[in-house]
Amino acid sequence: GNSVTQMEGPVTLSEEAFLTINCTYTATGYPSLFWYVQYPGEGLQLLLKATKADDKGSNKGFEATYRKETTSFHLEKGSVQVSDSAVYFCALLGLTGTASKLTFGTGTRLQVTL
Amino acid sequence: IAGITQAPTSQILAAGRRMTLRCTQDMRHNAMYWYRQDLGLGLRLIHYSNTAGTTGKGEVPDGYSVSRANTDDFPLTLASAVPSQTSVYFCATPTGMNTEAFFGQGTRLTVV
Repeated sequence: GNSVTQMEGPVTLSEEAFLTINCTYTATGYPSLFWYVQYPGEGLQLLLKATKADDKGSNKGFEATYRKETTSFHLEKGSVQVSDSAVYFCALLGLTGTASKLTFGTGTRLQVTL
Repeated sequence: IAGITQAPTSQILAAGRRMTLRCTQDMRHNAMYWYRQDLGLGLRLIHYSNTAGTTGKGEVPDGYSVSRANTDDFPLTLASAVPSQTSVYFCATPTGMNTEAFFGQGTRLTVV
Protein backbone atom coordinates (compact mmCIF):
# COMPACT_ATOMS: atom_id res chain seq x y z
CA GLY A 1 0.00 0.00 0.00
CA ASN A 2 0.90 3.66 -0.11
CA SER A 3 2.99 5.14 2.68
CA VAL A 4 4.73 8.38 3.63
CA THR A 5 7.77 8.71 5.86
CA GLN A 6 8.90 12.04 7.19
CA MET A 7 11.63 13.04 9.57
CA GLU A 8 10.98 12.92 13.26
CA GLY A 9 10.59 16.12 15.17
CA PRO A 10 10.58 18.35 16.90
CA VAL A 11 12.83 20.59 14.86
CA THR A 12 14.01 23.69 16.67
CA LEU A 13 15.57 26.53 14.67
CA SER A 14 16.53 30.12 15.22
CA GLU A 15 14.76 32.76 13.18
CA GLU A 16 16.25 33.20 9.70
CA ALA A 17 17.75 29.70 9.70
CA PHE A 18 17.39 27.35 6.73
CA LEU A 19 14.76 24.64 7.03
CA THR A 20 14.62 21.18 5.51
CA ILE A 21 12.01 18.59 6.45
CA ASN A 22 12.57 15.31 4.67
CA CYS A 23 9.72 13.31 3.18
CA THR A 24 9.86 10.08 1.18
CA TYR A 25 7.00 8.02 -0.12
CA THR A 26 6.03 4.61 -1.42
CA ALA A 27 3.20 4.42 -3.91
CA THR A 28 2.04 2.67 -7.02
CA GLY A 29 1.41 4.76 -10.09
CA TYR A 30 1.79 8.50 -10.09
CA PRO A 31 0.49 10.07 -6.89
CA SER A 32 0.12 13.75 -6.19
CA LEU A 33 2.17 15.05 -3.29
CA PHE A 34 1.31 17.67 -0.71
CA TRP A 35 2.59 19.50 2.30
CA TYR A 36 0.01 20.52 4.86
CA VAL A 37 0.56 22.81 7.83
CA GLN A 38 -1.27 22.79 11.14
CA TYR A 39 -0.94 25.86 13.35
CA PRO A 40 -1.66 25.47 17.07
CA GLY A 41 -5.33 24.82 17.75
CA GLU A 42 -6.28 24.75 14.08
CA GLY A 43 -7.07 22.25 11.36
CA LEU A 44 -4.83 21.33 8.44
CA GLN A 45 -4.22 23.80 5.64
CA LEU A 46 -2.67 23.05 2.30
CA LEU A 47 0.78 24.62 2.08
CA LEU A 48 1.88 23.46 -1.37
CA LYS A 49 1.46 20.65 -3.85
CA ALA A 50 2.99 18.93 -6.88
CA THR A 51 1.09 16.68 -9.21
CA LYS A 52 3.82 15.16 -11.40
CA ALA A 53 7.51 14.38 -11.42
CA ASP A 54 9.87 17.38 -11.36
CA ASP A 55 7.07 19.77 -10.42
CA LYS A 56 8.03 22.31 -7.78
CA GLY A 57 5.36 23.47 -5.39
CA SER A 58 5.90 26.77 -3.61
CA ASN A 59 4.03 29.02 -1.22
CA LYS A 60 4.92 31.54 1.51
CA GLY A 61 8.63 31.01 0.88
CA PHE A 62 8.37 27.22 1.22
CA GLU A 63 9.32 24.94 -1.67
CA ALA A 64 9.27 21.23 -2.42
CA THR A 65 10.20 19.36 -5.60
CA TYR A 66 8.58 16.08 -6.65
CA ARG A 67 11.55 13.72 -7.21
CA LYS A 68 10.34 10.46 -8.65
CA GLU A 69 13.84 8.97 -8.92
CA THR A 70 14.36 9.30 -5.17
CA THR A 71 10.64 9.12 -4.25
CA SER A 72 11.06 12.28 -2.21
CA PHE A 73 9.29 15.58 -1.62
CA HIS A 74 11.45 17.45 0.87
CA LEU A 75 10.18 20.75 2.26
CA GLU A 76 12.58 23.70 2.34
CA LYS A 77 12.56 27.33 3.34
CA GLY A 78 15.52 29.65 3.15
CA SER A 79 14.75 31.79 6.18
CA VAL A 80 12.20 30.71 8.76
CA GLN A 81 10.19 33.04 10.95
CA VAL A 82 8.67 32.59 14.38
CA SER A 83 5.27 32.55 12.69
CA ASP A 84 6.28 29.36 10.84
CA SER A 85 6.12 27.40 14.08
CA ALA A 86 3.62 24.64 13.39
CA VAL A 87 3.30 20.96 12.58
CA TYR A 88 4.02 20.03 8.97
CA PHE A 89 2.55 16.96 7.29
CA CYS A 90 3.69 15.37 4.07
CA ALA A 91 0.92 13.54 2.21
CA LEU A 92 0.19 11.76 -1.03
CA LEU A 93 -3.05 11.31 -2.92
CA GLY A 94 -3.10 8.12 -4.90
CA LEU A 95 -5.21 5.21 -5.96
CA THR A 96 -5.69 2.27 -3.65
CA GLY A 97 -7.74 -0.21 -5.64
CA THR A 98 -10.47 1.94 -7.17
CA ALA A 99 -10.48 4.58 -4.45
CA SER A 100 -8.35 7.71 -4.30
CA LYS A 101 -7.01 8.20 -0.80
CA LEU A 102 -4.86 10.63 1.10
CA THR A 103 -2.02 9.08 3.06
CA PHE A 104 -0.18 11.21 5.63
CA GLY A 105 3.17 11.10 7.31
CA THR A 106 3.32 11.35 11.09
CA GLY A 107 4.02 15.08 11.07
CA THR A 108 7.05 17.16 12.05
CA ARG A 109 6.76 19.85 14.66
CA LEU A 110 8.78 22.98 13.90
CA GLN A 111 9.61 25.45 16.64
CA VAL A 112 11.27 28.71 15.58
CA THR A 113 12.83 30.88 18.28
CA LEU A 114 14.09 34.46 18.26
CA ILE B 1 -21.24 28.00 5.23
CA ALA B 2 -18.30 27.61 2.96
CA GLY B 3 -16.12 24.53 2.84
CA ILE B 4 -16.44 21.89 5.51
CA THR B 5 -18.16 22.25 8.87
CA GLN B 6 -17.66 19.84 11.75
CA ALA B 7 -19.65 19.65 14.95
CA PRO B 8 -19.16 19.64 17.83
CA THR B 9 -15.78 21.37 18.14
CA SER B 10 -15.08 19.46 21.32
CA GLN B 11 -16.78 16.92 23.52
CA ILE B 12 -16.15 15.01 26.71
CA LEU B 13 -17.91 11.66 26.58
CA ALA B 14 -18.41 8.92 29.14
CA ALA B 15 -17.13 5.51 28.12
CA GLY B 16 -19.87 3.29 26.74
CA ARG B 17 -21.91 6.18 25.38
CA ARG B 18 -22.88 6.58 21.75
CA MET B 19 -21.68 9.65 19.87
CA THR B 20 -22.07 11.00 16.34
CA LEU B 21 -19.61 13.48 14.92
CA ARG B 22 -21.11 15.56 12.16
CA CYS B 23 -19.47 16.69 8.94
CA THR B 24 -21.13 18.79 6.25
CA GLN B 25 -19.65 20.19 3.06
CA ASP B 26 -21.11 22.66 0.62
CA MET B 27 -18.70 22.08 -2.25
CA ARG B 28 -20.60 19.15 -3.77
CA HIS B 29 -17.48 16.99 -3.72
CA ASN B 30 -17.96 13.30 -4.24
CA ALA B 31 -15.32 11.94 -1.87
CA MET B 32 -15.19 12.48 1.88
CA TYR B 33 -12.90 11.13 4.57
CA TRP B 34 -12.67 10.81 8.33
CA TYR B 35 -9.26 10.88 10.00
CA ARG B 36 -8.12 10.73 13.58
CA GLN B 37 -5.01 12.59 14.67
CA ASP B 38 -2.91 11.25 17.51
CA LEU B 39 0.45 12.46 18.76
CA GLY B 40 3.29 10.61 17.06
CA LEU B 41 0.95 8.80 14.68
CA GLY B 42 -0.07 11.59 12.35
CA LEU B 43 -3.43 11.29 10.65
CA ARG B 44 -4.93 7.87 10.14
CA LEU B 45 -7.86 7.18 7.88
CA ILE B 46 -10.91 5.75 9.65
CA HIS B 47 -13.51 5.54 6.88
CA TYR B 48 -14.05 7.08 3.50
CA SER B 49 -16.77 7.53 0.94
CA ASN B 50 -16.13 7.97 -2.77
CA THR B 51 -19.68 9.02 -3.54
CA ALA B 52 -23.10 9.24 -1.94
CA GLY B 53 -24.39 5.80 -1.05
CA THR B 54 -20.96 4.15 -0.77
CA THR B 55 -18.48 3.86 2.10
CA GLY B 56 -15.22 2.04 2.74
CA LYS B 57 -12.91 1.17 5.59
CA GLY B 58 -9.63 2.92 6.16
CA GLU B 59 -6.68 1.98 8.36
CA VAL B 60 -8.42 2.11 11.73
CA PRO B 61 -12.16 1.46 11.24
CA ASP B 62 -12.89 -0.67 14.32
CA GLY B 63 -15.36 0.93 16.72
CA TYR B 64 -16.57 3.44 14.13
CA SER B 65 -19.29 3.49 11.52
CA VAL B 66 -20.24 5.98 8.82
CA SER B 67 -23.07 6.63 6.44
CA ARG B 68 -23.39 8.69 3.29
CA ALA B 69 -27.05 9.27 2.59
CA ASN B 70 -26.34 12.35 0.46
CA THR B 71 -23.42 14.25 -1.03
CA ASP B 72 -23.17 16.88 1.68
CA ASP B 73 -23.19 14.90 4.94
CA PHE B 74 -20.80 12.25 6.25
CA PRO B 75 -21.45 11.52 9.95
CA LEU B 76 -19.09 9.36 12.00
CA THR B 77 -20.62 7.30 14.81
CA LEU B 78 -18.97 5.73 17.83
CA ALA B 79 -21.46 3.10 18.97
CA SER B 80 -19.91 2.57 22.39
CA ALA B 81 -17.02 4.92 23.09
CA VAL B 82 -13.80 3.72 24.72
CA PRO B 83 -10.90 5.79 26.12
CA SER B 84 -8.62 4.80 23.22
CA GLN B 85 -10.93 6.78 20.95
CA THR B 86 -9.81 9.98 22.64
CA SER B 87 -8.41 11.92 19.71
CA VAL B 88 -8.90 14.84 17.37
CA TYR B 89 -11.11 13.91 14.44
CA PHE B 90 -10.91 15.59 11.06
CA CYS B 91 -13.30 15.38 8.17
CA ALA B 92 -11.89 16.12 4.71
CA THR B 93 -12.86 16.18 1.08
CA PRO B 94 -10.59 16.29 -1.98
CA THR B 95 -11.68 18.07 -5.11
CA GLY B 96 -10.45 15.35 -7.39
CA MET B 97 -7.72 12.89 -8.16
CA ASN B 98 -4.85 15.32 -8.39
CA THR B 99 -5.94 18.12 -6.18
CA GLU B 100 -5.77 18.99 -2.57
CA ALA B 101 -8.11 18.12 0.26
CA PHE B 102 -10.05 20.60 2.32
CA PHE B 103 -10.21 19.90 6.02
CA GLY B 104 -12.72 20.78 8.67
CA GLN B 105 -11.55 22.45 11.85
CA GLY B 106 -11.65 19.20 13.77
CA THR B 107 -13.53 17.74 16.73
CA ARG B 108 -11.58 17.15 19.91
CA LEU B 109 -13.10 14.13 21.64
CA THR B 110 -12.18 12.96 25.12
CA VAL B 111 -13.59 9.66 26.33
CA VAL B 112 -13.42 9.23 30.09
